[in-house]
Amino acid sequence: QLQLQESGPRLVKPSETLSLTCDVSGGSISGSHYYWAWIRQPPGKGLEWIGSFHYSGDTYYNPSLKSRVLISAHTSRTQFSLRLNSVTAADTALYYCARRVVVVVPGTATYWYFDVWGPGTLVTVSS
Amino acid sequence: QSVLTQPPSVSAAPGQKVTISCSGSSSNIGNHYVSWYQQFPGTAPKVLIFANDKRPSLIPDRFSGSKSGTSATLGITGLRTGDEADYYCATWDSSVGGVVFGGGTKLTVL
Repeated sequence: QLQLQESGPRLVKPSETLSLTCDVSGGSISGSHYYWAWIRQPPGKGLEWIGSFHYSGDTYYNPSLKSRVLISAHTSRTQFSLRLNSVTAADTALYYCARRVVVVVPGTATYWYFDVWGPGTLVTVSS
Repeated sequence: QSVLTQPPSVSAAPGQKVTISCSGSSSNIGNHYVSWYQQFPGTAPKVLIFANDKRPSLIPDRFSGSKSGTSATLGITGLRTGDEADYYCATWDSSVGGVVFGGGTKLTVL
């Protein structure tokens, strides 16, 4: 059974770079039907999609974060990473990695959903 | 400000039915499938509904989803205190070029 686990520094100073890794156990990121995502949730607030990538290189970012974000796969194909630079206190959040399964239905539109999530890791931006 | 609009909170008595709405536009719900997620405090979200109205195999049929035009609805029947959680809708937005979530709805079972 596929499991995801986030890891990385829990405290980041303002203006520095937040870096997180998602470990994929029980599988790899190579499946053609999957995108791999980062989602965050500020304390007491809702979910915000940061971005997703496909192992082929297809990548999408939230326009509000695009200038500061990089999501990439490790060569091991069992890890992927998030880098968010120039962080501020507004970037303090619980960060989740998740798998988005994409299903193409012949003759109709494509549907998708986040079917596997990591437990999340709280990252605080503070000096 | 979320692209998808959900009521901040809903409540109902045990055993009753509740619906949670998710309102969007033609660039998101109107032309894309919707999924719904349940999140208990301190835990990661879990998918309840995908492709507007489909349930993963382990999700009980007390949970249902529907979509009409630019709005989607999550229904929960036979409410239990264990259903108290936050619920989020999600879909693709063609204008944004990515995934959008609703602001979330807190369900209280009185």
